[in-house]
Amino acid sequence: EAGVVQSPRYKIIEKKQPVAFWCNPISGHNTLYWYLQNLGQGPELLIRYENEEAVDDSQLPKDRFSAERLKGVDSTLKIQPAELGDSAVYLCASTKGQAGGVDEQFFGPGTRLTVL
Amino acid sequence: AQSVTQLGSHVSVSEGALVLLRCNYSSSVPPYLFWYVQYPNQGLQLLLKYTSAATLVKGINGFEAEFKKSETSFHLTKPSAHMSDAAEYFCAVSEPGGSEKLVFGKGTKLTVNP
Repeated sequence: EAGVVQSPRYKIIEKKQPVAFWCNPISGHNTLYWYLQNLGQGPELLIRYENEEAVDDSQLPKDRFSAERLKGVDSTLKIQPAELGDSAVYLCASTKGQAGGVDEQFFGPGTRLTVL
Repeated sequence: AQSVTQLGSHVSVSEGALVLLRCNYSSSVPPYLFWYVQYPNQGLQLLLKYTSAATLVKGINGFEAEFKKSETSFHLTKPSAHMSDAAEYFCAVSEPGGSEKLVFGKGTKLTVNP
């Protein structure tokens, strides 16, 4: 079974430029998460999708960040414009969507963003 | 609000020695607790989870953790460290019946010396 796929693995951009990250979850996983992991820190949730609906985006900085999950499968996270402080690893995770917080989240390898 | 505190951002042990990584949590309800491992340039992998069944949880790669409600702790242990255990370890908490949101600690980097 293929795991969570993310691309690109690395991205270097100039500040004020736009950037997009792509995630393909495990087949059949209805719930998809985007996390931000700063250097030396644990992941922090940005947004959670149940199928195509964003059910928790309270931590997403909506002035510059946006996300979509068309057709409830792949997802894209976008930053426009990027700032120096956005340099971090962006992780995608997915679960089957079993209710109650018990489900194991499967993580992708992440996209490491460097903003110059 | 839930939170996790991992004591010690870096832990160094000798190969064959006991591994002890500490995690304390705060939660308004009996929580679910998780330990994840992250190898360099890889995503997080679940080691084990506590979901209100047995308080001593066994995971992969010989790791185990014990839920102690009185101490609000969920420390991770392994009797004998192996070089391949060198990685970063994250403790996380979520609320049963809640949003499935995981709240992570800051992580502990484990170094295993030959």
